[in-house]
Amino acid sequence: AQSVTQPDIHITVSEGASLELRCNYSYGATPYLFWYVQSPGQGLQLLLKYFSGDTLVQGIKGFEAEFKRSQSSFNLRKPSVHWSDAAEYFCAVGAYNTDKLIFGTGTRLQVFP
Amino acid sequence: DVKVTQSSRYLVKRTGEKVFLECVQDMDHENMFWYRQDPGLGLRLIYFSYDVKMKEKGDIPEGYSVSREKKERFSLILESASTNQTSMYLCASSLGDSWGANVLTFGAGSRLTVL
Repeated sequence: AQSVTQPDIHITVSEGASLELRCNYSYGATPYLFWYVQSPGQGLQLLLKYFSGDTLVQGIKGFEAEFKRSQSSFNLRKPSVHWSDAAEYFCAVGAYNTDKLIFGTGTRLQVFP
Repeated sequence: DVKVTQSSRYLVKRTGEKVFLECVQDMDHENMFWYRQDPGLGLRLIYFSYDVKMKEKGDIPEGYSVSREKKERFSLILESASTNQTSMYLCASSLGDSWGANVLTFGAGSRLTVL
C-alpha cells in the first residue's frame, strides 16, 4: 500500500525567501503525485501534479516540484515566497489500481514580512 | 469551473444526534469522496463512491455511512454523533476516467462540533 510522509509540520520563512517543502512516498511502482494547498477556511486546491515524463513539473502560483525516484521524493519549491502563500500544503499519492488518494499530514507555512 | 458545494459550513450537534452532511457537485463527475481532516493527521478517507448507489469504505469508515442516490449528490451520515467525530469534513469529486490520476476538486469543508 502507498503512503506519504511530510516530515515538516510547520515551516516559517520570510517574505522573499526561497521555500522547499519535503514529501516522501512509499509505493512499489511510479506513483501519481500531487501537491494541494489549503488556505485558511477553504478547501484544498491543486497546485501541481506528476504523472509521467519530465520530472520537474510547474504548477500555479509560481510553484514547482521535482520527482526523484531514487529518493522517493516529490519536494515542492518556490524561489521567492509571498505573504499570500501562507497556508497548509498537502502532498498526496495515487496508484494505478485505485481512485483513492493518500494524503500526507500536511505542512503549515507561515510567512513573515 | 467545477464546483463542489457543501451545504453546511458549520454545525453544532449533541451527542447521539443523527447528522447529515450534504455535498453536491455540478460537473458530472463519477467519483465522490468524504475525507476527515484533523490537526496532525492530515486527510483521512472515510468513504468514496464511484457510481450511483455504489460505495466503498475508506480508511476510517467506523461510525459513518454514506448515500449516493443521484450522481451529483453524496451524503455523509453520522447515525449517532459522538464527541470524537468533532472534525472538519471535506467532500471531493473527480472525473473517474483514469485510476489514480484523477484530480480531486474539493468543497470548502464542513466543520462539525459534537457537544
